[in-house]
Amino acid sequence: QVQLVQSGSTLKMPGASVKLSCQASGYRFKSYAVNWVRQAPGQGLEWIGWINTNSGKPENAQGFTGRFVFSLDTSVNTAYLQISRLEAEDTAVYYCVRASGWAFDHWGQGTAVTVSS
Amino acid sequence: DIVMTQSPDSLAVSLGERATINCKSSQSVLYGPNNKNYLTWYQQKPGQPPKLLIYWASTRESGVPDRFSGSGSGTDFTLTISSLQAEDVAVYYCQQYYTTPYTFGQGTKLEIK
Repeated sequence: QVQLVQSGSTLKMPGASVKLSCQASGYRFKSYAVNWVRQAPGQGLEWIGWINTNSGKPENAQGFTGRFVFSLDTSVNTAYLQISRLEAEDTAVYYCVRASGWAFDHWGQGTAVTVSS
Repeated sequence: DIVMTQSPDSLAVSLGERATINCKSSQSVLYGPNNKNYLTWYQQKPGQPPKLLIYWASTRESGVPDRFSGSGSGTDFTLTISSLQAEDVAVYYCQQYYTTPYTFGQGTKLEIK
């Protein structure tokens, strides 16, 4: 079955960096894009962007450019989201999501990132 | 960007009764070449990731109970739960999948009355 398994929760100091991982299984990794979605505590869903798992080409949403970088390691079917210069406002659960041609059809379990001194 | 607006923000319905959630997009999400509306509904229960319920405005994802239905076209859409069950307590989000950035509605919290 399709699974997206994300790395564990993490606590970071402001100004630090974090690299989140999302390992896919149960399907051909390069056949589906990987999107990333953020959910701040008690808030709604916010699309960060996506990466084409075939070409490696990323697209970031406005407001998520510069500090948010997507990458891949197709040898281990894994997508990454690196966030640099962390701010308190980055505290959220980050989801990786498999995208079919019509919806976000499978979601990872989420990684909670807490930014605090 | 396409703005998605849901109504109401919260809703309390008795068990066995109908629940209706509305979603409006700031521009049409109907894709002309295939005549499909790129409007998706997700259900999120506390502590869980969202789960895909309906895509193309009215197509139920495999395994989703048939009490869930979606309707609408263009800019106005509705999610209906025909007979509310206790396990349907959740926050429901609509999303447009028509163009990036893929935007979500603010969510509708559904509770039992």
